[in-house]
Amino acid sequence: GENVEQHPSTLSVQEGDSAVIKCTYSDSASNYFPWYKQELGKGPQLIIDIRSNVGEKKDQRIAVTLNKTAKHFSLHITETQPEDSAVYFCAASSGNEKLTFGTGTRLTIIP
Amino acid sequence: SAVISQKPSRDICQRGTSLTIQCQVDSQVTMMFWYRQQPGQSLTLIATANQGSEATYESGFVIDKFPISRPNLTFSTLTVSNMSPEDSSIYLCSVEVHSSEQYFGPGTRLTVT
Repeated sequence: GENVEQHPSTLSVQEGDSAVIKCTYSDSASNYFPWYKQELGKGPQLIIDIRSNVGEKKDQRIAVTLNKTAKHFSLHITETQPEDSAVYFCAASSGNEKLTFGTGTRLTIIP
Repeated sequence: SAVISQKPSRDICQRGTSLTIQCQVDSQVTMMFWYRQQPGQSLTLIATANQGSEATYESGFVIDKFPISRPNLTFSTLTVSNMSPEDSSIYLCSVEVHSSEQYFGPGTRLTVT
């Protein structure tokens, strides 16, 4: 089955700087890669996703890049703000509707 | 997207008892899922709740422990049976809106004493 690794497990950045979280996946058949943000006491919120037919997708301060050859994808957050502090999860799906999640990254934005 | 609600939001239960968690979505969806998130951990898929048929369980999860109902396209329940402290977790339902895109409910925080 699919295996998703996520790094780093914790990340602290100064407010206004950029943050990058990386994930690798094992199943070359995977074609859908979402990113979720989970705030304390809440369910995961889908913030951005990418499918295997594109290499990059942007939504305001958030972007995701995909390298199918290397089987890795990354989340980029620019101009970080205190409200970006949360746990971020990557996931991968091979089209069978099931998501396999990474282990999570706790992002802390330092004011 | 979809608006998903879960009941209860949290509960404290005694070992050996059972708890049924409800998940309601504001539109008809084909696919509904139940996940477990142990403290400080990632999400693990328990089962896919199939409307009109038995749920499909992932390896390590069995129907006797986690019976699931899916009476219609907007509602599902997950029961955690014969609970032990190891069942203390957040239980999350999710729905697939289209092509693997999943949205999650707020979760049910279960503590077993």
